[in-house]
Amino acid sequence: NAGVTQTPKFRVLKTGQSMTLLCAQDMNHEYMYWYRQDPGMGLRLIHYSVGEGTTAKGEVPDGYNVSRLKKQNFLLGLESAAPSQTSVYFCASTPGQASSQFFGPGTRLTVL
Amino acid sequence: AQSVAQPEDQVNVAEGNPLTVKCTYSVSGNPYLFWYVQYPNRGLQFLLKYITGDNLVKGSYGFEAEFNKSQTSFHLKKPSALVSDSALYFCAVNTGFQKLVFGTGTRLLVSP
Repeated sequence: NAGVTQTPKFRVLKTGQSMTLLCAQDMNHEYMYWYRQDPGMGLRLIHYSVGEGTTAKGEVPDGYNVSRLKKQNFLLGLESAAPSQTSVYFCASTPGQASSQFFGPGTRLTVL
Repeated sequence: AQSVAQPEDQVNVAEGNPLTVKCTYSVSGNPYLFWYVQYPNRGLQFLLKYITGDNLVKGSYGFEAEFNKSQTSFHLKKPSALVSDSALYFCAVNTGFQKLVFGTGTRLLVSP
């Protein structure tokens, strides 16, 4: 099992550009999450999904959109990137029922 | 709102000495509590969790945590620290739909 994988690992964008981050899991998990990690702030939840075809807003959803067309994939989109979105983005998944979350390796995004 | 607090940004300990990383929580109802560890340039790894039952929870790599309801704490402990334990540690609480709210993290430095 590859677990949770994220593509790309690094990306540099200019202000106003768009991009999509891909998260894939091969564990048949129902729940998937997107977080951002900033120094001194821990991880903050952007969006999450409780199953295929569903999405919901987390703590910091503004400027991001998500889609979960297939159970194994969870996409995070930035329509018009801003410097404030410079961060490390982590995807995670869990089967639920108070189970732990499994994290991907992260995507380091810089917006100039 | 449900939250966790990690009062120490950094904990320093000598190798072989016991270590404690502190976490307090604020939740309504019975908390589901977690500890994760993050090594440099890596995703988070699950260490242990408290759901119900015995207040002393044992986890990976020799770590354990004690749930204390009266003090609303869930401190992470290890009897004998290793240099390889040096990392960033996060406490988290489940807030529903398996969503996690994380603390701001505590950096553990174990000196030889």
